Formats: sequence, structure tokens, C-alpha cells
Amino acid sequence: EAAVTQSPRNKVAVTGGKVTLSCNQTNNHNNMYWYRQDTGHGLRLIHYSYGAGSTEKGDIPDGYKASRPSQENFSLILELATPSQTSVYFCASGGDRGGQNTLYFGAGTRLSVL
Amino acid sequence: GDSVTQTEGLVTLTKGLPVMLNCTYQTTYSPFLFWYVQHLNEAPKLLLKSSTDNKRTEHQGFYATLHKSSSSFHLQKSSVQLSDSALYFCALRASSGSWQLIFGSGTQLTVMP
Repeated sequence: EAAVTQSPRNKVAVTGGKVTLSCNQTNNHNNMYWYRQDTGHGLRLIHYSYGAGSTEKGDIPDGYKASRPSQENFSLILELATPSQTSVYFCASGGDRGGQNTLYFGAGTRLSVL
Repeated sequence: GDSVTQTEGLVTLTKGLPVMLNCTYQTTYSPFLFWYVQHLNEAPKLLLKSSTDNKRTEHQGFYATLHKSSSSFHLQKSSVQLSDSALYFCALRASSGSWQLIFGSGTQLTVMP
């Protein structure tokens, strides 16, 4: 099964600080995604990438940047963290075989912005 | 635009009873639907995905049928177990051509002894 590793697993940040969430996948998937999960909203897409060097905005990109320096790594960056960004963040990777895009998720990062 | 609706936020059942979790969708593209399951403090995992119109797909005792006529892909199980307690997400492949998934808001299933 596909392996997606996120770090850190838990993070406490201060308002206005910079936060970087990291994601690594070892299955050579082209596509990678960052979602946040909040009660009542399900999983909402923040940024995604088609491959190294590419980043695209998802449905809720404001306040977030993304970086895909290699096929394996995809980072989510909060330049100026705010309390509204307190959430659980999931990274996912998936192939794109004819659109049957099964996603494989990491274990999640629980971020608290104080 | 594309959207997925899960009408039940919370479903509580007694072990051994049947369950149906509702999922309806809107899309301008050929629909391809998924059910993901997330157990407490774990990552979401694929449970099953749709096949052709009116064809049932099954996995781990759960089943669902894509009905294009009613834009639905409801998840069912004939007899729930305690281990089925989890958060269930319905997801739709986006029509934008980017192979994104659009998730519903999720249904928390709690199975009581």
C-alpha cells in the first residue's frame, strides 16, 4: 500500500509565526494534495500538485503556500499563522490512472495556533 | 459546480442492525464516486469506489450502487459491527480535469453494543 508520511504530527504555533508542514510519499505518485479537516466541513482542498515544481490552488488557498521540490515531497507553508488555521491537516498522494484517482492519506498533523 | 451532499451528520445504531448512509452529488462530468472511512485518530482510507451505472460495488461487507438517475451513491451494510464506528466520507471526482476529489461533510457512524 502507498506510504505517505507527514511531519510533525502535532504542532503548536503562535499567531503571526511561520509554520511548515511536510509530507513525503514513496510511491512515485504524480499528484499530491493538502487538505484540512474541520468538523462540519469534511475535507477541504488547500493546494495540490501535479509533479515536481508544480503547485495549484485548491478551494481554500488563502493564507497558505505550497512547495513541491521533488516527486516525493510536498510542503504546506503558513507564512503568518492565525488562530483560524487551527485544524487537522492531511496530505495525500494519488495516481491519475484514467481519473480513478484513489488517494492515499498521511496520518495527519494537528496544528494549534495560539 | 461540482458538489457532494451527505445529509446525516451523525448516525447511531445498535450492533447487528442495517445502515444506509446517504450521498448525493452534482456534476457536469461523468460521475465517479468514492467512499472513504476514517477511524478515530487515523487517516482516511478508501472503502469502495463506484463502477458503472446501476452496478453494485462491495468491500468489507459494505456496498453501494451508483444511480445516475437519482445522482446518488448511498453506502449500505446489512449488519453493522462495533468496529464500523467511524467517520464516513463520500467523494466525487471533480469535473475540472485535474482529478481532484470533492468530499462531502462526512457522517459519523456510532455503533452501540
